[in-house]
Amino acid sequence: NAGVTQTPKFRVLKTGQSMTLLCAQDMNHEYMYWYRQDPGMGLRLIHYSVGEGTTAKGEVPDGYNVSRLKKQNFLLGLESAAPSQTSVYFCASRQDRDGQEAFFGQGTRLTVV
Amino acid sequence: GDSVTQMEGPVTLSEEAFLTINCTYTATGYPSLFWYVQYPGEGLQLLLKATKADDKGSNKGFEATYRKETTSFHLEKGSVQVSDSAVYFCALSRNTNAGKSTFGDGTTLTVKP
Repeated sequence: NAGVTQTPKFRVLKTGQSMTLLCAQDMNHEYMYWYRQDPGMGLRLIHYSVGEGTTAKGEVPDGYNVSRLKKQNFLLGLESAAPSQTSVYFCASRQDRDGQEAFFGQGTRLTVV
Repeated sequence: GDSVTQMEGPVTLSEEAFLTINCTYTATGYPSLFWYVQYPGEGLQLLLKATKADDKGSNKGFEATYRKETTSFHLEKGSVQVSDSAVYFCALSRNTNAGKSTFGDGTTLTVKP
């Protein structure tokens, strides 16, 4: 009964370093999303996917890349981290039917120094 | 585009007080409406939802009614508890829009004993 699992939970990066955040869901959901949450700014959509092998840009995609090679996994990459990418990152998934809620992971707290 | 406006916080109440958090939305078509709750250090989780006009969502003593005429989905609880202290997000989504959720900025509720 894992739901949505994000790894890692915490990470500190130096400016210019790269990393990949992993999101895994075991509910066979088609749709998956990456958000960032910053104080006073709510949740902002970075990238999303409507199915295996598909990805699309959200409202704040710059500096991030994503891949969805397997239906259950959605990876978020930072190629060259910047201090502006310090944030809490949330992955979510949902079924592709009307009225369905999103299920969220526990979040990854990323600090770029 | 779609938007959600919710009451600014923070909101501080005494235990057993009545709670209202206002939420209004702008959207094309017929969105589904949600309230999510986020406890410290955790991801968002669904509190309640309503998928069509005049539907009432309810859970754990919280209620919200989908009012299409006023484009509102206000959250209410008759008697709050200390354990209700959290951040509350109003959101909408439409399956015709890849199920992407549009969130309000969140309202922080603190309940004091």
